[in-house]
Amino acid sequence: DVKVTQSSRYLVKRTGEKVFLECVQDMDHENMFWYRQDPGLGLRLIYFSYDVKMKEKGDIPEGYSVSREKKERFSLILESASTNQTSMYLCASSLQGGSYEQYFGPGTRLTVT
Amino acid sequence: GENVEQHPSTLSVQEGDSAVIKCTYSDSASNYFPWYKQELGKGPQLIIDIRSNVGEKKDQRIAVTLNKTAKHFSLHITETQPEDSAVYFCAAPGTTLGRLYFGRGTQLTVWP
Repeated sequence: DVKVTQSSRYLVKRTGEKVFLECVQDMDHENMFWYRQDPGLGLRLIYFSYDVKMKEKGDIPEGYSVSREKKERFSLILESASTNQTSMYLCASSLQGGSYEQYFGPGTRLTVT
Repeated sequence: GENVEQHPSTLSVQEGDSAVIKCTYSDSASNYFPWYKQELGKGPQLIIDIRSNVGEKKDQRIAVTLNKTAKHFSLHITETQPEDSAVYFCAAPGTTLGRLYFGRGTQLTVWP
């Protein structure tokens, strides 16, 4: 079974802090994704990556950056956390370019105070 | 990009009744339509999908139907059980390889 793990289930940070959210998948998937989930807004794509050191902007990249130095790991970075970034963050992976079945991690609930 | 709309946003049914969730999409080139179930405290998980060369697909109590002409697809759950209670998301691909566009989700509650 594909396993996608996220570094924290719950995280509380202060406004202005730099925040790192880590995601690791164990099935040698090429594609990785970061989503944000808010009530009534569904899953909104922040960034995705097709391969190591590659990244593409999603629909809401403002205020976020990503890093993919190794194939299995995809990091989401909040350079200066703000209260409007309080949300559930979900990481997902899929096999390769044209594969659409995505496997999700359990999510990180981030609160910025 | 693709625009996926999902209705209703909430749905309550009695145990044993059927539940139907509907989605529409905008890009006529889309050819793959998955449904994800998200249980409380977990990430979404694929439960069924359909490709554009078929009109219906069933897996035990769940089925998905697709109408390419009207650009809509639906999830049908029969004989609902309390464990079906979850948030359900539909999705469709856009022109960007490997990317899915998700609907806003439906909170299904099944009352015993």
